[in-house]
Amino acid sequence: DSGVTQTPKHLITATGQRVTLRCSPRSGDLSVYWYQQSLDQGLQFLIQYYNGEERAKGNILERFSAQQFPDLHSELNLSSLELGDSALYFCASSVDSVKTDTQYFGPGTRLTVL
Amino acid sequence: AQTVTQSQPEMSVQEAETVTLSCTYDTSESDYYLFWYKQPPSRQMILVIRQEAYKQQNATENRFSVNFQKAAKSFSLKISDSQLGDAAMYFCAYTDNNNDMRFGAGTRLTVKP
Repeated sequence: DSGVTQTPKHLITATGQRVTLRCSPRSGDLSVYWYQQSLDQGLQFLIQYYNGEERAKGNILERFSAQQFPDLHSELNLSSLELGDSALYFCASSVDSVKTDTQYFGPGTRLTVL
Repeated sequence: AQTVTQSQPEMSVQEAETVTLSCTYDTSESDYYLFWYKQPPSRQMILVIRQEAYKQQNATENRFSVNFQKAAKSFSLKISDSQLGDAAMYFCAYTDNNNDMRFGAGTRLTVKP
């Protein structure tokens, strides 16, 4: 157990809908990262937050957004869902903001868009 | 751009034997970090080992060790005394101070009893 928690474990929804994925980092970690793992794209970095502020952006679609709250938990919002958004979404956390910090991953949220 | 290549989509090993998973990367940075993550059927991403590029000594964690060849940009993972629980997807990952973490496509390891 990495200490990173994610809810829900599974999510099934329809095209055009909006969902919110939640992540709580390890105790003491200030950075949260979001990744998408799909069969065709592999593991891709989406976005990083550090202590409530956006720190880095990767291959995140405009339909997706994230935020980190004062208690350091983070939410990833996915809207206008398409079939291709079906994937495993991981949250990871690290102590600091530097990109070379070791990242510890949560168990993931499996999103299925029908 | 920094890329990570795992040329072995699948590998298999007999229980108690040793197996080596390959990873190469491309970068122009001098300071970077390399990781191996394991993803078992549960889908959890588990850190196996970490190597700092400035360290010449190869990292070791129990039965897991790496062969880090900086000049060749190679970072292979050796698993000794393989166990059934080692069966998983293994991902090689790269990061530096200027770029976000990049992952290879993964190697699926099967352990035969």
